[in-house]
Amino acid sequence: SQKIEQNSEALNIQEGKTATLTCNYTNYSPAYLQWYRQDPGRGPVFLLLIRENEKEKRKERLKVTFDTTLKQSLFHITASQPADSATYLCALSMHDKIIFGKGTRLHILP
Amino acid sequence: NAGVTQTPKFRVLKTGQSMTLLCAQDMNHEYMYWYRQDPGMGLRLIHYSVGEGTTAKGEVPDGYNVSRLKKQNFLLGLESAAPSQTSVYFCASSLQGGDYEQYFGPGTRLTVT
Repeated sequence: SQKIEQNSEALNIQEGKTATLTCNYTNYSPAYLQWYRQDPGRGPVFLLLIRENEKEKRKERLKVTFDTTLKQSLFHITASQPADSATYLCALSMHDKIIFGKGTRLHILP
Repeated sequence: NAGVTQTPKFRVLKTGQSMTLLCAQDMNHEYMYWYRQDPGMGLRLIHYSVGEGTTAKGEVPDGYNVSRLKKQNFLLGLESAAPSQTSVYFCASSLQGGDYEQYFGPGTRLTVT
């Protein structure tokens, strides 16, 4: 069965630094990876989608990269702020559905 | 646009009771999904629907049933609740399948005692 893994349960980053989160998936093609943000007590909110033929996608301070050789996506938040503190979920698109990783809790320390 | 709404927001059930969770979306999306989220387990897909009148099993379907009689509504039923079904339930919708972003509702917190 397909798997998607986020290797850090939690990550502490100093305000102003770049936060980098990692997502790995098992062999699936075509691979589309999605990234969501979830705040406590709320539903996930979509951030970015990257396709396997795209190396990089950007949205404001967010950047996602995709390495099909490593089967890995990296999610970067530049110039991080305390308001960026949340759980970030990676998800693998699979035809009719997506499967989610367990998420990484990101804490931006002031 | 309300987006995706879920009813109720909170519910407490006794073991063996039944209930139905309602999800509604006003975006004319074809696909709808029900997930449960438990600490340390992430979001797990229970059932989903690829269009009005269709349903399909997800990763953890046992103990749940669903119906999609109208395109905008997706109902999740628990026929005989068990303590293992204590969880936060999220509904989501998307325009088409897995290649499209999903829009989530605010969640229903269910406790089964």
